[in-house]
Amino acid sequence: GAVVSQHPSWVICKSGTSVKIECRSLDFQATTMFWYRQFPKQSLMLMATSNEGSKATYEQGVEKDKFLINHASLTLSTLTVTSAHPEDSSFYICSAPARTGDSPLHFGNGTRLTVT
Amino acid sequence: GENVEQHPSTLSVQEGDSAVIKCTYSDSASNYFPWYKQELGKGPQLIIDIRSNVGEKKDQRIAVTLNKTAKHFSLHITETQPEDSAVYFCAASRGGGYQKVTFGIGTKLQVIP
Repeated sequence: GAVVSQHPSWVICKSGTSVKIECRSLDFQATTMFWYRQFPKQSLMLMATSNEGSKATYEQGVEKDKFLINHASLTLSTLTVTSAHPEDSSFYICSAPARTGDSPLHFGNGTRLTVT
Repeated sequence: GENVEQHPSTLSVQEGDSAVIKCTYSDSASNYFPWYKQELGKGPQLIIDIRSNVGEKKDQRIAVTLNKTAKHFSLHITETQPEDSAVYFCAASRGGGYQKVTFGIGTKLQVIP
Protein backbone atom coordinates (compact mmCIF):
# COMPACT_ATOMS: atom_id res chain seq x y z
CA GLY A 1 0.00 0.00 0.00
CA ALA A 2 0.81 3.74 -0.11
CA VAL A 3 2.25 3.78 -3.60
CA VAL A 4 3.16 7.14 -5.13
CA SER A 5 3.67 7.30 -8.88
CA GLN A 6 5.50 10.13 -10.60
CA HIS A 7 5.63 10.91 -14.29
CA PRO A 8 7.69 11.42 -16.34
CA SER A 9 10.79 9.81 -14.90
CA TRP A 10 12.98 12.05 -16.99
CA VAL A 11 12.47 14.98 -19.34
CA ILE A 12 14.69 17.17 -21.46
CA CYS A 13 13.39 20.56 -22.51
CA LYS A 14 14.67 23.71 -24.11
CA SER A 15 15.29 26.87 -22.17
CA GLY A 16 12.18 29.03 -21.98
CA THR A 17 9.67 26.20 -22.25
CA SER A 18 7.46 24.80 -19.49
CA VAL A 19 7.41 21.30 -18.12
CA LYS A 20 4.68 19.56 -16.13
CA ILE A 21 5.39 16.77 -13.67
CA GLU A 22 2.58 14.60 -12.31
CA CYS A 23 2.41 12.92 -8.92
CA ARG A 24 -0.31 10.38 -8.18
CA SER A 25 -1.22 8.44 -5.08
CA LEU A 26 -2.27 5.10 -6.52
CA ASP A 27 -3.96 3.29 -3.66
CA PHE A 28 -4.81 6.01 -1.18
CA GLN A 29 -6.14 9.53 -1.10
CA ALA A 30 -3.73 12.34 -0.39
CA THR A 31 -5.10 15.68 0.71
CA THR A 32 -1.52 16.83 1.09
CA MET A 33 1.48 16.18 -1.11
CA PHE A 34 4.99 17.54 -0.90
CA TRP A 35 7.39 18.54 -3.65
CA TYR A 36 11.13 18.22 -3.08
CA ARG A 37 14.15 19.14 -5.12
CA GLN A 38 17.42 17.27 -4.92
CA PHE A 39 20.74 18.33 -6.39
CA PRO A 40 23.41 15.69 -7.10
CA LYS A 41 24.84 14.16 -3.95
CA GLN A 42 22.76 16.44 -1.77
CA SER A 43 19.80 16.10 0.51
CA LEU A 44 16.14 16.67 -0.22
CA MET A 45 14.97 20.26 0.00
CA LEU A 46 11.28 20.89 0.50
CA MET A 47 9.95 23.25 -2.16
CA ALA A 48 6.26 23.40 -1.40
CA THR A 49 3.29 21.74 0.20
CA SER A 50 0.44 20.93 -2.16
CA ASN A 51 -3.03 21.05 -0.61
CA GLU A 52 -6.07 19.57 -2.32
CA GLY A 53 -8.58 22.26 -3.17
CA SER A 54 -6.48 25.17 -1.96
CA LYS A 55 -3.32 27.07 -2.74
CA ALA A 56 0.07 25.50 -2.26
CA THR A 57 2.37 26.66 0.49
CA TYR A 58 5.86 27.49 -0.70
CA GLU A 59 9.09 27.38 1.27
CA GLN A 60 11.12 30.52 1.63
CA GLY A 61 13.10 31.29 -1.48
CA VAL A 62 10.97 29.20 -3.84
CA GLU A 63 9.32 31.26 -6.58
CA LYS A 64 5.64 30.37 -6.67
CA ASP A 65 5.19 31.90 -10.13
CA LYS A 66 7.96 29.74 -11.50
CA PHE A 67 6.96 26.48 -9.84
CA LEU A 68 3.20 26.22 -10.28
CA ILE A 69 1.48 23.59 -8.21
CA ASN A 70 -2.01 22.29 -8.75
CA HIS A 71 -3.72 19.72 -6.53
CA ALA A 72 -7.07 19.31 -8.22
CA SER A 73 -8.01 15.91 -6.86
CA LEU A 74 -7.31 13.67 -3.90
CA THR A 75 -4.92 11.55 -5.95
CA LEU A 76 -3.12 14.00 -8.23
CA SER A 77 -0.77 16.91 -7.76
CA THR A 78 1.16 18.55 -10.58
CA LEU A 79 4.26 20.70 -10.60
CA THR A 80 4.84 22.92 -13.61
CA VAL A 81 8.25 24.47 -14.08
CA THR A 82 7.55 27.57 -16.14
CA SER A 83 10.03 29.27 -18.43
CA ALA A 84 12.65 26.71 -17.48
CA HIS A 85 16.32 27.65 -17.43
CA PRO A 86 19.42 25.46 -17.14
CA GLU A 87 19.68 26.22 -13.43
CA ASP A 88 16.29 24.54 -12.97
CA SER A 89 17.85 21.26 -14.01
CA SER A 90 17.49 18.96 -11.03
CA PHE A 91 15.82 15.86 -9.61
CA TYR A 92 12.26 16.64 -8.51
CA ILE A 93 10.53 14.23 -6.15
CA CYS A 94 6.99 14.25 -4.83
CA SER A 95 5.73 12.56 -1.71
CA ALA A 96 2.51 11.97 0.16
CA PRO A 97 1.86 10.94 3.74
CA ALA A 98 0.23 7.56 4.15
CA ARG A 99 -3.03 7.51 6.05
CA THR A 100 -1.93 4.96 8.62
CA GLY A 101 0.10 5.12 11.80
CA ASP A 102 2.44 8.08 11.87
CA SER A 103 1.59 8.92 8.26
CA PRO A 104 5.08 8.23 6.95
CA LEU A 105 5.99 9.95 3.74
CA HIS A 106 6.00 7.80 0.65
CA PHE A 107 7.96 9.08 -2.30
CA GLY A 108 7.60 8.85 -6.02
CA ASN A 109 10.60 7.76 -8.07
CA GLY A 110 11.45 11.28 -9.03
CA THR A 111 11.75 13.21 -12.28
CA ARG A 112 15.12 14.11 -13.72
CA LEU A 113 14.72 17.46 -15.47
CA THR A 114 17.41 18.66 -17.84
CA VAL A 115 17.04 22.10 -19.39
CA THR A 116 19.24 22.75 -22.40
CA GLY B 1 13.48 25.63 12.41
CA GLU B 2 14.69 22.07 12.69
CA ASN B 3 18.28 21.20 11.81
CA VAL B 4 19.29 17.59 11.30
CA GLU B 5 22.95 16.66 11.16
CA GLN B 6 24.04 13.29 9.88
CA HIS B 7 27.36 11.47 9.83
CA PRO B 8 29.34 9.93 8.38
CA SER B 9 28.77 11.20 4.85
CA THR B 10 30.31 8.03 3.44
CA LEU B 11 30.73 4.60 4.97
CA SER B 12 32.36 1.47 3.60
CA VAL B 13 31.96 -1.88 5.32
CA GLN B 14 32.76 -5.45 4.47
CA GLU B 15 29.84 -7.70 3.67
CA GLY B 16 28.55 -9.25 6.88
CA ASP B 17 29.78 -6.43 9.10
CA SER B 18 27.53 -3.91 10.80
CA ALA B 19 26.97 -0.32 9.76
CA VAL B 20 25.97 2.54 12.02
CA ILE B 21 24.74 5.97 10.93
CA LYS B 22 24.17 8.72 13.46
CA CYS B 23 21.99 11.81 13.44
CA THR B 24 21.30 14.70 15.77
CA TYR B 25 18.38 17.10 15.72
CA SER B 26 17.86 20.52 17.20
CA ASP B 27 14.10 20.94 17.68
CA SER B 28 13.04 19.47 21.01
CA ALA B 29 9.45 19.37 19.72
CA SER B 30 10.35 16.83 17.02
CA ASN B 31 8.80 13.49 17.86
CA TYR B 32 8.94 11.42 14.71
CA PHE B 33 12.14 10.11 13.11
CA PRO B 34 12.04 8.17 9.85
CA TRP B 35 14.95 6.67 7.93
CA TYR B 36 15.00 6.43 4.15
CA LYS B 37 17.08 4.46 1.68
CA GLN B 38 17.66 5.96 -1.75
CA GLU B 39 19.08 4.01 -4.63
CA LEU B 40 20.60 5.75 -7.61
CA GLY B 41 18.02 7.50 -9.77
CA LYS B 42 15.11 6.57 -7.53
CA GLY B 43 13.01 8.21 -4.85
CA PRO B 44 13.68 7.57 -1.16
CA GLN B 45 12.11 4.48 0.37
CA LEU B 46 11.06 4.37 4.01
CA ILE B 47 12.91 1.57 5.81
CA ILE B 48 12.09 2.21 9.45
CA ASP B 49 10.73 4.95 11.68
CA ILE B 50 10.50 5.63 15.39
CA ARG B 51 8.42 7.80 17.68
CA SER B 52 9.90 9.78 20.55
CA ASN B 53 8.12 7.67 23.17
CA VAL B 54 10.12 4.63 22.06
CA GLY B 55 13.83 4.16 22.66
CA GLU B 56 14.50 1.41 20.17
CA LYS B 57 12.80 -0.32 17.28
CA LYS B 58 13.97 -3.30 15.28
CA ASP B 59 12.94 -4.82 11.98
CA GLN B 60 14.98 -7.86 10.99
CA ARG B 61 18.51 -6.60 10.25
CA ILE B 62 17.65 -2.95 10.79
CA ALA B 63 17.31 -1.18 14.12
CA VAL B 64 16.96 2.42 15.18
CA THR B 65 17.76 3.86 18.60
CA LEU B 66 16.66 7.21 19.95
CA ASN B 67 18.03 9.27 22.81
CA LYS B 68 15.52 12.07 23.25
CA THR B 69 17.48 13.74 26.03
CA ALA B 70 20.59 14.03 23.91
CA LYS B 71 18.57 14.60 20.73
CA HIS B 72 20.27 11.96 18.71
CA PHE B 73 19.18 8.82 16.92
CA SER B 74 21.01 6.12 15.05
CA LEU B 75 20.44 3.51 12.38
CA HIS B 76 22.06 0.11 12.79
CA ILE B 77 22.27 -2.40 9.95
CA THR B 78 23.61 -5.82 10.87
CA GLU B 79 24.92 -8.56 8.58
CA THR B 80 25.23 -6.11 5.73
CA GLN B 81 24.73 -7.31 2.17
CA PRO B 82 25.76 -5.74 -1.16
CA GLU B 83 22.14 -4.78 -1.81
CA ASP B 84 22.27 -2.56 1.27
CA SER B 85 24.57 -0.23 -0.70
CA ALA B 86 22.68 3.04 -1.15
CA VAL B 87 22.32 6.52 0.32
CA TYR B 88 20.57 6.63 3.67
CA PHE B 89 18.79 9.71 5.00
CA CYS B 90 17.62 10.37 8.52
CA ALA B 91 14.83 12.84 9.10
CA ALA B 92 12.81 14.49 11.83
CA SER B 93 9.40 16.09 12.13
CA ARG B 94 7.04 17.37 14.77
CA GLY B 95 4.25 15.00 13.97
CA GLY B 96 4.52 12.38 11.29
CA GLY B 97 4.40 12.90 7.57
CA TYR B 98 1.84 15.68 7.58
CA GLN B 99 4.27 18.04 9.28
CA LYS B 100 7.40 19.40 7.63
CA VAL B 101 10.02 16.67 7.48
CA THR B 102 13.62 17.85 7.67
CA PHE B 103 16.26 15.57 6.20
CA GLY B 104 19.89 15.00 7.03
CA ILE B 105 22.57 15.32 4.38
CA GLY B 106 22.67 11.60 3.67
CA THR B 107 25.18 8.79 4.12
CA LYS B 108 26.48 6.85 1.17
CA LEU B 109 26.90 3.26 2.32
CA GLN B 110 29.03 0.89 0.32
CA VAL B 111 29.04 -2.77 1.23
CA ILE B 112 32.09 -4.49 -0.17
CA PRO B 113 31.52 -8.13 -1.18
